[in-house]
Amino acid sequence: GAGVSQSPSNKVTEKGKDVELRCDPISGHTALYWYRQSLGQGLEFLIYFQGNSAPDKSGLPSDRFSAERTGGSVSTLTIQRTQQEDSAVYLCASSLVRAAQQFFGPGTRLTVL
Amino acid sequence: GESVGLHLPTLSVQEGDNSIINCAYSNSASDYFIWYKQESGKGPQFIIDIRSNMDKRQGQRVTVLLNKTVKHLSLQIAATQPGDSAVYFCAEKNSGGGADGLTFGKGTHLIIQP
Repeated sequence: GAGVSQSPSNKVTEKGKDVELRCDPISGHTALYWYRQSLGQGLEFLIYFQGNSAPDKSGLPSDRFSAERTGGSVSTLTIQRTQQEDSAVYLCASSLVRAAQQFFGPGTRLTVL
Repeated sequence: GESVGLHLPTLSVQEGDNSIINCAYSNSASDYFIWYKQESGKGPQFIIDIRSNMDKRQGQRVTVLLNKTVKHLSLQIAATQPGDSAVYFCAEKNSGGGADGLTFGKGTHLIIQP
């Protein structure tokens, strides 16, 4: 595709519900990243996928957060039992290889009521 | 912990003037630095990057300066335009190890006044 796409663009959910956020990286990009951006804050690294290697999960804030990447392309970030502090914009980025320029998607704005 | 930070949260400049956005980093192992621009409601957009073996790199209307001695990074935007209004983030990475994601500062909101 022309760029990184994410869906949905906005998600409102109730506390305690599970949510799934989707990321379609740029075709051919082997590296995929998830970040979280809270209101007025910088971006917080969550998780990184590179090819078929085990993902780097060092940024995930709790075990309620998980992500998978199927077929080396599309990725899904899942947040279980959502809490109000999970409210943020979740951004996905991809790059051709590790340590290369990262291209960001438009993000998914998650609001937990 | 080690982090990347910005000196000023908001910078206001007149249209046509030059602007300088500053960033301090503390991880001496970082060897790759990037500036991103984020407009309201959009994801960050790559502006320019620089590796630690350089101290200056120029793009179109933008220049990034790296001073490794004092761990300081700056972004200079020449002849600012209304479209330059956005939040600017610096980010750093240790390409040789550590977490694979970028470490971002909190951002500077650049406001271009007519």
